[in-house]
Amino acid sequence: KQEVTQIPAALSVPEGENLVLNCSFTDSAIYNLQWFRQDPGKGLTSLLLIQSSQREQTSGRLNASLDKSSGRSTLYIAASQPGDSATYLCAGGEYNFNKFYFGSGTKLNVKP
Amino acid sequence: GAVVSQHPSWVICKSGTSVKIECRSLDFQATTMFWYRQFPKQSLMLMATSNEGSKATYEQGVEKDKFLINHASLTLSTLTVTSAHPEDSSFYICSARAASGIAEQFFGPGTRLTVL
Repeated sequence: KQEVTQIPAALSVPEGENLVLNCSFTDSAIYNLQWFRQDPGKGLTSLLLIQSSQREQTSGRLNASLDKSSGRSTLYIAASQPGDSATYLCAGGEYNFNKFYFGSGTKLNVKP
Repeated sequence: GAVVSQHPSWVICKSGTSVKIECRSLDFQATTMFWYRQFPKQSLMLMATSNEGSKATYEQGVEKDKFLINHASLTLSTLTVTSAHPEDSSFYICSARAASGIAEQFFGPGTRLTVL
C-alpha cells in the first residue's frame, strides 16, 4: 500500500525566507502529483499539479518538482509571506487519477 | 471552471441518526467521484470511489453498510452516514473527475460532521 511521508511535520520561519517542503512515497510508481494548501477548518486549494509527462511546475513564488525514480517531490516557496501560513499536503495519484494518496501535511507558520 | 460544491458545509446530529452529504460538480460532468475523510490533525484518507450508475468501490476497512454512496447522475454523488456515532465525527471531502478530457480531480470544500 502506498504511504506518503511529508517532512517536516511543522515549520516556523520568519517572513521573507525561502523554504522547501518534502514529500516521499514508498512506491515510486506515481503517475501524477499534486500539492495542496489547506487552511484551518477548510477544504483543499490546489497549488500545483505535475502530470505524468512533467517533472516540474511553477506558479508565482511556488515551484514543485517530482523525481519519479526516487518517489520524491519538493515544494519550494520563495520569499515566504505570513499569508502562506497553512498546512501543505502532497498527494500522489495512480494512473489517470484513479486514486490519490495523501501525505499527513506540513504545517507552515510564517512569522511577520 | 471545474467547481465542486458540498452541502451541507457543516452538520451536527445526535447519535443514531443518519446524515446525508451531497457532492455536486457544478460546471462539468463527473463520471467518477471520490469520498475522503479527514480526522483532526491527520491527512485525507480515501473512503470510496463511485462511478456514475454503478456501485461504489470501498477502501479496505470502510464499512459499506455504514457509509452509503450513491452516484445517480453525472453531477451528483451522495454519502449517507447511517446510524452515526461520535467516532464518525470528521471532515468529509469529496472530489470529482471529469467525464472526458481533463483527468484531474477537483475537490469540494468539505463537510464538517459532528455527532453528539
